[in-house]
Amino acid sequence: AQSVSQHNHHVILSEAASLELGCNYSYGGTVNLFWYVQYPGQHLQLLLKYFSGDPLVKGIKGFEAEFIKSKFSFNLRKPSVQWSDTAEYFCAVNARAEAAGNKLTFGGGTRVLVKP
Amino acid sequence: SQTIHQWPATLVQPVGSPLSLECTVEGTSNPNLYWYRQAAGRGLQLLFYSIGIDQISSEVPQNLSASRPQDRQFILSSKKLLLSDSGFYLCAWSRMGEANEKLFFGSGTQLSVL
Repeated sequence: AQSVSQHNHHVILSEAASLELGCNYSYGGTVNLFWYVQYPGQHLQLLLKYFSGDPLVKGIKGFEAEFIKSKFSFNLRKPSVQWSDTAEYFCAVNARAEAAGNKLTFGGGTRVLVKP
Repeated sequence: SQTIHQWPATLVQPVGSPLSLECTVEGTSNPNLYWYRQAAGRGLQLLFYSIGIDQISSEVPQNLSASRPQDRQFILSSKKLLLSDSGFYLCAWSRMGEANEKLFFGSGTQLSVL
């Protein structure tokens, strides 16, 4: 079974600071990787995903994530955050070999607070 | 466009009472459907998923059950709630087929069992 760990539970930073959220997974097979975000008062939504090709994935709102297979990591980055990036961020993984459904295993989430 | 509805938004129930949370999806057919739970301070845990009517898979042993009486309806139930059932429950759907399809989440139900 897969497991996902996110290193930081809470991150507080100022506008224009750079953001990096760590995510490591454990699974021996090929995986698909996701970052989901939940803005205050909104539904959980997809930020970006990786399933093949270039390990540097670009998502919405200037976010990117890099898949490093040797480190089992999929860290999320943004060079310069805005107040509107305040949200909870979830890393998730599923096994590509799954025959049915898209059963994601989520990390514990990281709450990011950007101070204006 | 597709939408997902989940209700109620909040629920306070006594221990031992029954539970029924409902989720419906509009604008798509044959979706995969999911129930997740987020306990306080923890990540989302997959409880059930369904790839078709009356086809339910349970991911963790628990006091809850799920049913899919119609293609776009997914119900989470319990006959007798426990304190440990408290949490935030999320319904989600994805397009059938590929494991890299993204999930679309509902707005969630905050359940407090007292």
